[in-house]
Amino acid sequence: DTGVSQDPRHKITKRGQNVTFRCDPISEHNRLYWYRQTLGQGPEFLTYFQNEAQLEKSRLLSDRFSAERPKGSFSTLEIQRTEQGDSAMYLCASSFGAGGKGEAFFGQGTRLTVV
Amino acid sequence: QQQVKQSPQSLIVQKGGISIINCAYENTAFDYFPWYQQFPGKGPALLIAIRPDVSEKKEGRFTISFNKSAKQFSLHIMDSQPGDSATYFCAAQAGTALIFGKGTTLSVSS
Repeated sequence: DTGVSQDPRHKITKRGQNVTFRCDPISEHNRLYWYRQTLGQGPEFLTYFQNEAQLEKSRLLSDRFSAERPKGSFSTLEIQRTEQGDSAMYLCASSFGAGGKGEAFFGQGTRLTVV
Repeated sequence: QQQVKQSPQSLIVQKGGISIINCAYENTAFDYFPWYQQFPGKGPALLIAIRPDVSEKKEGRFTISFNKSAKQFSLHIMDSQPGDSATYFCAAQAGTALIFGKGTTLSVSS
């Protein structure tokens, strides 16, 4: 396993459509995070899973966003009824250990463009 | 409210020079401070990290200096190389989420 893998790398969608992104963490990592990064800004936290349990959600994660991590392996992030403001890089990160801290390794991200 | 303030926004350094990026924070509950390097079109890559029980950590050409009383920490890149040209983010963590600064774009001229 060479790192965190995200798919697709790029996604262009029309406003109002639903999109789903996939993240495959480093295999032994039990913790998984989603972040969003807009141009010229640092990543902003969206949500956190420990194994299959979603333990924390940011206020940025509106009800149009849903994330899952079935069986504690890969994770999906779905955005329903996309808006132009959803255009951003969506980053997945993973780490290993108890609690929510430790070295987090990021994937290459999925760049979403809503037209 | 921006919890981690990073400066400068951009930095140009000559090859072989020292690059210095500074960050300041307010939340005294932060207890983990990593630096990430990001190239265009790529995800952030962990560079070096420090916990507040030490004042300095060095890994190769990269050094973190940490001042707990001033609530400041900085990244020093010694002998800067053109390959170091990237965007650098400081971050801080108290609970689960990493709180990132806005980034510094470093250009190392040859």
